[in-house]
Amino acid sequence: GAGVSQSPSNKVTEKGKDVELRCDPISGHTALYWYRQSLGQGLEFLIYFQGNSAPDKSGLPSDRFSAERTGGSVSTLTIQRTQQEDSAVYLCASSPYRGPEAFFGQGTRLTVV
Amino acid sequence: QQPVQSPQAVILREGEDAVINCSSSKALYSVHWYRQKHGEAPVFLMILLKGGEQKGHDKISASFNEKKQQSSLYLTASQLSYSGTYFCGTELPSNTGKLIFGQGTTLQVKP
Repeated sequence: GAGVSQSPSNKVTEKGKDVELRCDPISGHTALYWYRQSLGQGLEFLIYFQGNSAPDKSGLPSDRFSAERTGGSVSTLTIQRTQQEDSAVYLCASSPYRGPEAFFGQGTRLTVV
Repeated sequence: QQPVQSPQAVILREGEDAVINCSSSKALYSVHWYRQKHGEAPVFLMILLKGGEQKGHDKISASFNEKKQQSSLYLTASQLSYSGTYFCGTELPSNTGKLIFGQGTTLQVKP
């Protein structure tokens, strides 16, 4: 079966515009994660969905960031009024409940100009 | 809450051994290790569970000291293919699967 799919793979946007990043997890995986990786940096936790539980949004850096997961499957990360510091690779991962293995997508490279 | 990894970077010759450490300020349920090659997505290496045993992957093995809240990744007789950035991910007992990663350790293996 297919792995975790993210779209678009690359996105260039103007400062102040809104962007939506999409993640299609592996079918049947109840856990879904979003991470941000700035150039040469680590994996910064953004948000975590687990089944029907309320998402853990503790990593979202500001109220410009939001995410939703519809029907326990596809997730969308929305960044409003983008800033240059939002430029990074946004990675999505999914896993069965409590893993053990999280499968990462190839990421969306976001560039804010 | 983010685990701390050390060293930040290491350069080896083929065949040499390396140890990467991961330390948490909180009690842990599990520790996960991932490797990311340049321009690629992170790939799962192994998981160590609280009360579980050391698990291995080829010549890569790891340990988990629950009392010290630390894990170490051992790379034996390193190969060129081991080059990349290694991340430890930690899961707290109360967090039902949420994974927080350290800042990464960059490993470069030279011929």
